[in-house]
Amino acid sequence: NAGVTQTPKFRVLKTGQSMTLLCAQDMNHEYMYWYRQDPGMGLRLIHYSVGEGTTAKGEVPDGYNVSRLKKQNFLLGLESAAPSQTSVYFCASSYSKAGSYNEQFFGPGTRLTVL
Amino acid sequence: KQEVTQIPAALSVPEGENLVLNCSFTDSAIYNLQWFRQDPGKGLTSLLLIQSSQREQTSGRLNASLDKSSGRSTLYIAASQPGDSATYLCAVSGTASKLTFGTGTRLQVTL
Repeated sequence: NAGVTQTPKFRVLKTGQSMTLLCAQDMNHEYMYWYRQDPGMGLRLIHYSVGEGTTAKGEVPDGYNVSRLKKQNFLLGLESAAPSQTSVYFCASSYSKAGSYNEQFFGPGTRLTVL
Repeated sequence: KQEVTQIPAALSVPEGENLVLNCSFTDSAIYNLQWFRQDPGKGLTSLLLIQSSQREQTSGRLNASLDKSSGRSTLYIAASQPGDSATYLCAVSGTASKLTFGTGTRLQVTL
């Protein structure tokens, strides 16, 4: 049981390049999330998904796209990277029962630098 | 919009001390509150989750309380150890289990 895994762990991009971050979970969770963590800002929600084939915007969605083609995977895409997207990205997942037992489990993070 | 505040931002205590970390939130309509631990350069580890109907949760030397009506939670760490040194994050859960995080309290426990 690997929990939540993220690929890659580190990446350096040049402005304008694109990339995809992969999140995978093996806990059969319905809900998955992408957060970014910046110094002094805390973690902020980018996009989330409440089930296979569904996605929704979070607090800071601009510049990112997501897809949830399979229940266990949640992809975060940057079409044209900007220096402001330099951050640590965390994926998380949780059960779907609203109002209770929806503890979130986090992956180890991806450190992205955009030059 | 939900806002979560954690006080203090940083704390240094000698080994063996009992300590309290504070978390406050502006909207009391939450489903639950989670406390996380984050080590430098690492991901988040869930410590305790308190459902909105509960008042407290305990795990080993950790005890978290929740006063939903006043928008406050505390994390109590008993007999602190150097291994407890980390950043502690508080987060509250709203609809679709989306979490709103505080900016954390950086704890250092010295020998």
